[in-house]
Amino acid sequence: DIVMTQSPDSLAVSLGERATINCRSSQSVLYSSNNKNYLGWYQQRPGQPPKLLIYWASTRESGVPDRFSGSGSGTDFTLTISSLQAEDVAVYYCQQYYSTPYTFGQGTKLDIK
Amino acid sequence: QVQLVQSGSALKTPGASVKVSCRTSGYTFTSYTINWVRQAPGQGLEWVGWINTNTGNPTYAQGFTGRFVFSLDTSVSTAYLQINSLKAEDTAVYFCARDLYLSVAAPGYWGQGSLVTVSS
Repeated sequence: DIVMTQSPDSLAVSLGERATINCRSSQSVLYSSNNKNYLGWYQQRPGQPPKLLIYWASTRESGVPDRFSGSGSGTDFTLTISSLQAEDVAVYYCQQYYSTPYTFGQGTKLDIK
Repeated sequence: QVQLVQSGSALKTPGASVKVSCRTSGYTFTSYTINWVRQAPGQGLEWVGWINTNTGNPTYAQGFTGRFVFSLDTSVSTAYLQINSLKAEDTAVYFCARDLYLSVAAPGYWGQGSLVTVSS
């Protein structure tokens, strides 16, 4: 199984500041035949189902604000929120969909400082 | 629009069974796989497995084989998760989720979740 490890476990950032969450996979999730990273980022607010923010490691899902961006390739990935808003308080997860089981990271809790 | 609507909360005793339903609408049911994801209280997300809605072929993550069973009723565009011989540690919210696009296996549409509580 591919193990997904996020850092940090929790993070507090001031409103308007940048938030950065990292995700590392135990093996590459880059599929060489199409040069795509099979990595998604999700936001989960309390009491809500997860919401897909980013897929292919860097493609923003429709309707997701452009302050959210994803980067990285192979085994190391980053989710960046360029200017934190109050509604961004949530837990964020990465997930690989390269091979089953489609494992998630342990989650990163993001709060306002 | 794509919608996944799950059955409500269930309170079960240890050893019983529960069947969670995921009724879909707004798209061709047999064109997209359905994933199942578990979230224990205060914990993270855990991928249970997925079912190919065209063939009915299920794939289970390790730790979810044997007692967990996926099934379909294509006539009503509904997927099911049955958990047999329930244990206290099965207490969790179970989500169904559909792939975002045919070419993107990341779950992009989610049900609201079904809380299963196992307690004597």
